[in-house]
Amino acid sequence: ELKVEQNPLFLSMQEGKNYTIYCNYSTTSDRLYWYRQDPGKSLESLFVLLSNGAVKQEGRLMASLDTKARLSTLHITAAVHDLSATYFCAVANFGNEKLTFGTGTRLTIIP
Amino acid sequence: GAGVSQSPSNKVTEKGKDVELRCDPISGHTALYWYRQRLGQGLEFLIYFQGNSAPDKSGLPSDRFSAERTGESVSTLTIQRTQQEDSAVYLCASSFIGQGATQYFGPGTRLLVL
Repeated sequence: ELKVEQNPLFLSMQEGKNYTIYCNYSTTSDRLYWYRQDPGKSLESLFVLLSNGAVKQEGRLMASLDTKARLSTLHITAAVHDLSATYFCAVANFGNEKLTFGTGTRLTIIP
Repeated sequence: GAGVSQSPSNKVTEKGKDVELRCDPISGHTALYWYRQRLGQGLEFLIYFQGNSAPDKSGLPSDRFSAERTGESVSTLTIQRTQQEDSAVYLCASSFIGQGATQYFGPGTRLLVL
């Protein structure tokens, strides 16, 4: 059974600092997704990572994938308040369309 | 519409009643998914449709839960004889079929069973 773990679960950061959220998964996978969820809202797609070594960047967020280590990271550079949200990673198995989600990382950026 | 829509946005029901939740996917998206999100938790997969058939319904928690899709478009998730543990946000997503296809999520239906 595919399991996805994220850490930390809660992260409080000062504006301007850098930090990384980690996503580990238990079995081989061909796709990894990062989503953002604001309180009371639905999920917004951030990144799709399809291959080992894939790196994608959008603004202050950068995601990478190491399929050998079964690890993805979401790096936040020079955090700003607007990035406060819960971030989920989600993994799909080969030939399977359903996503298995991590527990989420609740990120709070403090001025 | 441009995105996935769901109705109702909120539903309060009494224990033992049946409820129907509706999802309208993005036009042209062949795949449709239902997930459940309990308070403060991640998403749990419920069921996946490809066209009108459901190749994976492994996440449905009990036989009180069922879903159907018609016309490769609208889907309804039905919960019979609701229980308090069914209280959650039910999220629908849709996508094209293909590796790396992004699932786009609707706003969800917040279900509260009293």
